[in-house]
Amino acid sequence: GQQLNQSPQSMFIQEGEDVSMNCTSSSIFNTWLWYKQEPGEGPVLLIALYKAGELTSNGRLTAQFGITRKDSFLNISASIPSDVGIYFCAGTGGSNYKLTFGKGTLLTVNP
Amino acid sequence: NAGVTQTPKFQVLKTGQSMTLQCAQDMNHEYMSWYRQDPGMGLRLIHYSVGAGITDQGEVPNGYNVSRSTTEDFPLRLLSAAPSQTSVYFCASSWTGLTGGELFFGEGSRLTVL
Repeated sequence: GQQLNQSPQSMFIQEGEDVSMNCTSSSIFNTWLWYKQEPGEGPVLLIALYKAGELTSNGRLTAQFGITRKDSFLNISASIPSDVGIYFCAGTGGSNYKLTFGKGTLLTVNP
Repeated sequence: NAGVTQTPKFQVLKTGQSMTLQCAQDMNHEYMSWYRQDPGMGLRLIHYSVGAGITDQGEVPNGYNVSRSTTEDFPLRLLSAAPSQTSVYFCASSWTGLTGGELFFGEGSRLTVL
């Protein structure tokens, strides 16, 4: 099956710092999505990308759909304590009905 | 609206026992799916359904059965539980398919198989 390589696995940062994480794949994806999961909750969609080269922002979050359709990144600017959680990239490739997830990036923000 | 509701939230089983994880959504979504989440593995798709009466396998379907008799409900059945099925299970739904559709997740069901 298709696989997504997400990095880094974890990040420990100070409040106010910017954060960057990315996802790569060996195969082409048609959509890229970024989710956030807080403890005891299900993932919640942050940003969805549907076109190669697309750059989309949601408040302090910015994500891009790579031009090769094999990668995507998520940036968080001026981090705050409530940014803590696990961030997942996800995408659809050969099937529009099967969403493949990366293994997640655990973000810790020190106040 | 309640969104996606999963029950039970916690369950402990013995090896070989059977059980059903319930999932219900009140958003009239056509698409529903089940994922399992294991440490360091992300979320892996077990089964999905694009509408009542239609189901298909995901990435890790072995040991699990599903059915979709109504639009609202999508139960996940474990016929003979194994320790390898210890995991957190998430049900998720979307308007139709995934392209252009946001996936809404339930709060999860934590299953331990002894």
